[in-house]
Amino acid sequence: DTAVSQTPKYLVTQMGNDKSIKCEQNLGHDTMYWYKQDSKKFLKIMFSYNNKELIINETVPNRFSPKSPDKAHLNLHINSLELGDSAVYFCASSQGDRGYSYEQYFGPGTRLTVT
Amino acid sequence: SQKIEQNSEALNIQEGKTATLTCNYTNYSPAYLQWYRQDPGRGPVFLLLIRENEKEKRKERLKVTFDTTLKQSLFHITASQPADSATYLCALEDYGQNFVFGPGTRLSVLP
Repeated sequence: DTAVSQTPKYLVTQMGNDKSIKCEQNLGHDTMYWYKQDSKKFLKIMFSYNNKELIINETVPNRFSPKSPDKAHLNLHINSLELGDSAVYFCASSQGDRGYSYEQYFGPGTRLTVT
Repeated sequence: SQKIEQNSEALNIQEGKTATLTCNYTNYSPAYLQWYRQDPGRGPVFLLLIRENEKEKRKERLKVTFDTTLKQSLFHITASQPADSATYLCALEDYGQNFVFGPGTRLSVLP
């Protein structure tokens, strides 16, 4: 069984469009994350979401918004896509509890190409 | 400003030798440090976690050390195999579950 899944795996779209990437985890984890990995392979956290508490990396443009319909899902919506948004986006999840550290389980990634 | 560095972008070693990867950081006080492996086209996979009050952690052929005075972690793979070839990422985490990943080291184990 896939622990963390993302759809779609590839997404090609034009500048200015709005798109969404879906993420689901079947591990029963409390915390979910979105990361962006650019062409230089830097993995940067965008959001973490724990029990309806959203922590936003202040460098993320407000065109990006996470939506969590339930504990197992954290979708990423991107408005007015720009060329610089092209990257691989990873969803991840871990057990919750602030003050403790748990391993993160990553999804397979979504390669977004903005033309 | 906060900075995380991993010793080199790429590291080549001979099969059977010990690979040592370095993670250095500045202007950061992590509570935990994690190491991940990433293969091309895939998401990172967790390997080891070490806490700030721990000096060393082992798992099979893997060993990680954490020196908060030097602000450095060393990641060792003993008896390396070609299957160990991948990119290895260190990640710093504070008590608020804020993660910062290093740029990664691409390890190639040559047969």
